Amino acid sequence: KAGVTQTPRYLIKTRGQQVTLSCSPISGHRSVSWYQQTPGQGLQFLFEYFSETQRNKGNFPGRFSGRQFSNSRSEMNVSTLELGDSALYLCASSPEGAGGLSSYNEQFFGPGTRLTVL
Amino acid sequence: LAKTTQPISMDSYEGQEVNITCSHNNIATNDYITWYQQFPSQGPRFIIQGYKTKVTNEVASLFIPADRKSSTLSLPRVSLSDTAVYYCLVVGNNNDMRFGAGTRLTVKP
Repeated sequence: KAGVTQTPRYLIKTRGQQVTLSCSPISGHRSVSWYQQTPGQGLQFLFEYFSETQRNKGNFPGRFSGRQFSNSRSEMNVSTLELGDSALYLCASSPEGAGGLSSYNEQFFGPGTRLTVL
Repeated sequence: LAKTTQPISMDSYEGQEVNITCSHNNIATNDYITWYQQFPSQGPRFIIQGYKTKVTNEVASLFIPADRKSSTLSLPRVSLSDTAVYYCLVVGNNNDMRFGAGTRLTVKP
């Protein structure tokens, strides 16, 4: 089975621009989560999508948004880029959604997109 | 969501057993304890998950006391390739994961 793929792997933008990152989950996985990783703040949860609906959201400004398509692929968008948005953006997928009495679903991470804002 | 506390860094030598302890005093009844490993420039990788007592898989063991307010990840006979950052998380059934700072393990020859 192919793993989680993210495109592009590297991106350079300038302040004020917007950017869209793409994530293709493992086939059959319905949940996709996004994370931002920086040396200063570590790994921070952005949001999670399941069945095209945002189910969880971290503490990021509205400039960060996302969506999920019917095939579970997901995109995240950052508008009006700031220097502080430079980071590694990671996407993770998991097999099932939340709820019920099932145990926590292991998340499978992609290689990330390295975004540099100049 | 339960907050976790773990040591910032640890050093070890090849062949030794490494134990990393994580505190999660406010863990909820439905929370599971989960550990991830991350190498530089890669996404985190799931290591092990448990709810109570002891869990063992091919790479690690996880010890959880009865009160569940802490847990210990045990890595037997570490090698240089185990040098990585290890994250402890407590996660409910809503897939909302909050990573802490993690423990940077350095294995020396």
